[in-house]
Amino acid sequence: QKEVEQDPGPLSVPEGAIVSLNCTYSNSAFQYFMWYRQYSRKGPELLMYTYSSGNKEDGRFTAQVDKSSKYISLFIRDSQPSDSATYLCAMSLPGSARQLTFGSGTQLTVLP
Amino acid sequence: GAVVSQHPSWVICKSGTSVKIECRSLDFQATTMFWYRQFPKQSLMLMATSNEGSKATYEQGVEKDKFLINHASLTLSTLTVTSAHPEDSSFYICSASPGGGADGYTFGSGTRLTVV
Repeated sequence: QKEVEQDPGPLSVPEGAIVSLNCTYSNSAFQYFMWYRQYSRKGPELLMYTYSSGNKEDGRFTAQVDKSSKYISLFIRDSQPSDSATYLCAMSLPGSARQLTFGSGTQLTVLP
Repeated sequence: GAVVSQHPSWVICKSGTSVKIECRSLDFQATTMFWYRQFPKQSLMLMATSNEGSKATYEQGVEKDKFLINHASLTLSTLTVTSAHPEDSSFYICSASPGGGADGYTFGSGTRLTVV
C-alpha cells in the first residue's frame, strides 16, 4: 500500500464547475499538507499549504484536512480552462527540511 | 516569493556522456535541496537530499556514483548524470524551502533530459 493515495482521474469538468480533488494517507505522523499544480513539462507550483485539520481558503481554492480520517481535499470553485493541469497532493513529517511524499497526481481538464 | 531556478530546461546528450543540472535558490539560502525524478504521467520520486557542505543522502535504489550531487554553497546544488544511458532520460526537478519546509517547498522549472 502506498503511503499517499490520490484519485488518479483523469477528471474533465465544464467551465464554472466546482472541482474536488482528494488524497488519503496511511502515516498518521504526516503533519504538513500541500497541494501543487503542475502544467505539462513544468515544475510543480505550490497552491496551498496547511498543517492543521480544518479548511484553508485562498481565492478560488480551499484546502481541507481531516487528520482523524487521514484525508485531504482541494476544492476549486468557478473552475477555469487555465486550471487544466495535473494536481499533486504532498505531505511531510514534522521537522526542518523534510522530504515530501507525493500522491500520484490527478489530471484535470476544464472545458470551455 | 521564493524562487528556485533550474538550468538547463532541456538537454539532449549522447550515451556515455555526462550532464550537469544546476539548481539555484535566487532569493534565499537553502541548506537543504531535494532532487526528484519524474517519468511521463507519473508522480515525483525523490532521488536524493542535497545538504550544503556535506554528502548527499540518496534514496534506496538510486546509484550515488551515477547521480553525483554537489551542494557547495547555500544557493547552489548540482546534479551530474554520469555516463548517461537512454534509460536515464527523464524529467529532473529540484526543490528547496526558505523556511526549512515551514511554508512549503518551491520547485524549479525542471530539466528534461534526453539521452540518445
